[in-house]
Amino acid sequence: DQQVKQNSPSLSVQEGRISILNCDYTNSMFDYFLWYKKYPAEGPTFLISISSIKDKNEDGRFTVFLNKSAKHLSLHIVPSQPGDSAVYFCAASTSGTYKYIFGTGTRLKVLA
Amino acid sequence: DAGITQSPRHKVTETGTPVTLRCHQTENHRYMYWYRQDPGHGLRLIHYSYGVKDTDKGEVSDGYSVSRSKTEDFLLTLESATSSQTSVYFCAIGRNDQETQYFGPGTRLLVL
Repeated sequence: DQQVKQNSPSLSVQEGRISILNCDYTNSMFDYFLWYKKYPAEGPTFLISISSIKDKNEDGRFTVFLNKSAKHLSLHIVPSQPGDSAVYFCAASTSGTYKYIFGTGTRLKVLA
Repeated sequence: DAGITQSPRHKVTETGTPVTLRCHQTENHRYMYWYRQDPGHGLRLIHYSYGVKDTDKGEVSDGYSVSRSKTEDFLLTLESATSSQTSVYFCAIGRNDQETQYFGPGTRLLVL
């Protein structure tokens, strides 16, 4: 049972436009969420997080939105740059469980 | 970058042999994790540790064991390697159970 789902395996966006990556979860006990970016042959790199007490968190070009009633979060990248081309993972956690559940990832390609 | 190293970075082994992967951190973080990354599955948690000698299973722990005798080291052992354990293995660390996890560079393991 996949508790965290990223239903789009890949996404292509023109440079300068907005990239929107989506993530759905099934466990209503999840209360903290992370987004990671991963380049080939490297470990995942933390991008941005959000707690369930918020519905939005922003850091530069990256904004994460959380819709708890829909059990959905999204990562917006504006403007998209070619260097953003990578695989993006969302992850969810319940406090006190010590662990995150990761989605399967979305490969973003930003076209110059 | 967080001070996390993994060794070896690449390994080829034969079915049935034991293999040990090492994760070393210089951050004095309490939590350490082992994940595997496979196409179509994203990152899946194998085992994690919430302190010296305190470990627990993740979602794909069969065929793996771990040990943590020091804060800085977390070892992952494949007791008898199988071809299904061919994967890229990532170690991660965190200060508390919902803190951002920082990942190592990964170990690419091929079991023939």
